[in-house]
Amino acid sequence: AQRVTQPEKLLSVFKGAPVELKCNYSYSGSPELFWYVQYSRQRLQLLLRHISRESIKGFTADLNKGETSFHLKKPFAQEEDSAMYYCALQGAQKLVFGQGTRLTINP
Amino acid sequence: GAGVSQSPSNKVTEKGKDVELRCDPISGHTALYWYRQSLGQGLEFLIYFQGNSAPDKSGLPSDRFSAERTGGSVSTLTIQRTQQEDSAVYLCASSLDRPLGLAGVGTGELFFGEGSRLTVL
Repeated sequence: AQRVTQPEKLLSVFKGAPVELKCNYSYSGSPELFWYVQYSRQRLQLLLRHISRESIKGFTADLNKGETSFHLKKPFAQEEDSAMYYCALQGAQKLVFGQGTRLTINP
Repeated sequence: GAGVSQSPSNKVTEKGKDVELRCDPISGHTALYWYRQSLGQGLEFLIYFQGNSAPDKSGLPSDRFSAERTGGSVSTLTIQRTQQEDSAVYLCASSLDRPLGLAGVGTGELFFGEGSRLTVL
């Protein structure tokens, strides 16, 4: 079975502070992991995927197979980063999401 | 349009009634998903269609829920004898293909609709 856990439902940080959204997964095979984001009044959309090793809007995420984690990080948070963030795992077939973390950046 | 289209955007129904939610995926996308988004539950997987393969129905919460995908395109999610706990936003998403684990074109990104908000009174 494949499972994604995001332990924090809510996360609040000040503008300019570092931010880390935690994601842990459970999957017996070789996982493909993603972060999706939903800004206020917008559709859910892809933020980044681990195979691309990319940095999007200053966010990065490193797959740690030993710790089965894929935490999302940004060194300096901005107010426009306030949104709902979902970690997702693609197994052999379907894409499964975590419960999401609502990130609020305080001015 | 170019994006995933869902209808209706809002649906209010009485407990016990049946509802149908429609999804028009992006043309050419072979994979189609239905998810349920509710407070405290995150994004709950419901069903997944991939090409001509048998759908993965493992996420459907009860036999009151069913979904079809006709001609590999439009999908309809049907909820029979609705209950108050069915109230949620139902999201549809499509993708070009499932990820193959290789860097390449069109792998893995799901494109979501705006959702259908269902309220069961």
